[in-house]
Amino acid sequence: DTGVSQNPRHKITKRGQNVTFRCDPISEHNRLYWYRQTLGQGPEFLTYFQNEAQLEKSRLLSDRFSAERPKGSFSTLEIQRTEQGDSAMYLCASSIQMALSTFGSGTRLTVV
Amino acid sequence: GIQVEQSPPDLILQEGANSTLRCNFSDSVNNLQWFHQNPWGQLINLFYIPSGTKQNGRLSATTVATERYSLLYISSSQTTDSGVYFCAVGENAGNMLTFGGGTRLMVKP
Repeated sequence: DTGVSQNPRHKITKRGQNVTFRCDPISEHNRLYWYRQTLGQGPEFLTYFQNEAQLEKSRLLSDRFSAERPKGSFSTLEIQRTEQGDSAMYLCASSIQMALSTFGSGTRLTVV
Repeated sequence: GIQVEQSPPDLILQEGANSTLRCNFSDSVNNLQWFHQNPWGQLINLFYIPSGTKQNGRLSATTVATERYSLLYISSSQTTDSGVYFCAVGENAGNMLTFGGGTRLMVKP
């Protein structure tokens, strides 16, 4: 069990560019979640997968955000046409039912 | 959606002291978890406790689901306990968590 892995750890991008983040969950976990955390706040839910199916999306998730989990393994989160307000820590978590969620170390995005 | 309030927002302790952190939530939940976010930003799960009491070393937690609150107890605090403690709840056992605003704890040597 190597934990939840997220790449890259840091990303600096210019406004208007597209960015993609990757999350590798714990291998036996069938549930995968994306959260966003801004400075001084708790994480906010973005979206959730059970295996390869995306079951829930937050109303906070604009059309510029898309997430995939092909084959129910790793997941990617893409942000198109980034805006300065997208600057945040993007956290991935995984779990099995009725159990603790395990979080990755996050990807810190800075949009300049 | 569910509202989650944590108190106190900030707490400063001397090493060795005990503390109680509280989490109130606005609706019935089937999922409640406590996390510690260390100064490097890593979220570490502490307890999955939708009801009842659990203990793990110097930490213990109690959730009274019928009264919609949970408590996290830290005994004999150490400087490594510093960071932010989050309570997170969910209406169902497997899906999204709603986080509270956190309690920022500083333990002084």
